[in-house]
Amino acid sequence: DAGITQSPRHKVTETGTPVTLRCHQTENHRYMYWYRQDPGHGLRLIHYSYGVKDTDKGEVSDGYSVSRSKTEDFLLTLESATSSQTSVYFCAISEGRQGETQYFGPGTRLLVL
Amino acid sequence: GQQVMQIPQYQHVQEGEDFTTYCNSSTTLSNIQWYKQRPGGHPVFLIQLVKSGEVKKQKRLTFQFGEAKKNSSLHITATQTTDVGTYFCAHPGWNTGNQFYFGTGTSLTVIP
Repeated sequence: DAGITQSPRHKVTETGTPVTLRCHQTENHRYMYWYRQDPGHGLRLIHYSYGVKDTDKGEVSDGYSVSRSKTEDFLLTLESATSSQTSVYFCAISEGRQGETQYFGPGTRLLVL
Repeated sequence: GQQVMQIPQYQHVQEGEDFTTYCNSSTTLSNIQWYKQRPGGHPVFLIQLVKSGEVKKQKRLTFQFGEAKKNSSLHITATQTTDVGTYFCAHPGWNTGNQFYFGTGTSLTVIP
């Protein structure tokens, strides 16, 4: 498996509180992604990054923000968590060529009460 | 949004039976990838298909890309309990370099 870690692995929080999830890679890959996975929806892209301080929105970006201050770290923030954001969040990386293979982290299970 | 439809959503087979999952797109795809996710795990890359009509094999797994590059299939011959998991197809977006869209997945259960 590629060197990708996510923290925390599990989190329970309350509606309205801020939450930050961290993705860390040791592969020096250019692209990093945040997905959420929900039953019946597969994996949906939230945000992605194509370099330090270079990010863009995916198909389900509302309610989420991201930051990438270093190549190895990509943070996902829920400014004010809602129950609809209860999900499993996966980080992925790729080298950056068109259609390149994505390598996924172990995931973070988030429960918003 | 998602550009591919993946069917079936669920499949239960007896061990030793064959299994096939399909991805269908209304538009031409530049390439398609397949991933497997074991229960409780993360998606793992299996293969990428790029050429029209391409067929690739990995042991008991056969992957096909349609002639029009609008559909793809994954076929498993003689399933084993180790094949259990969800299989996803994925393709890159058209207007952005490295966004990927995933199908909804096919969950495979193998009954011993």
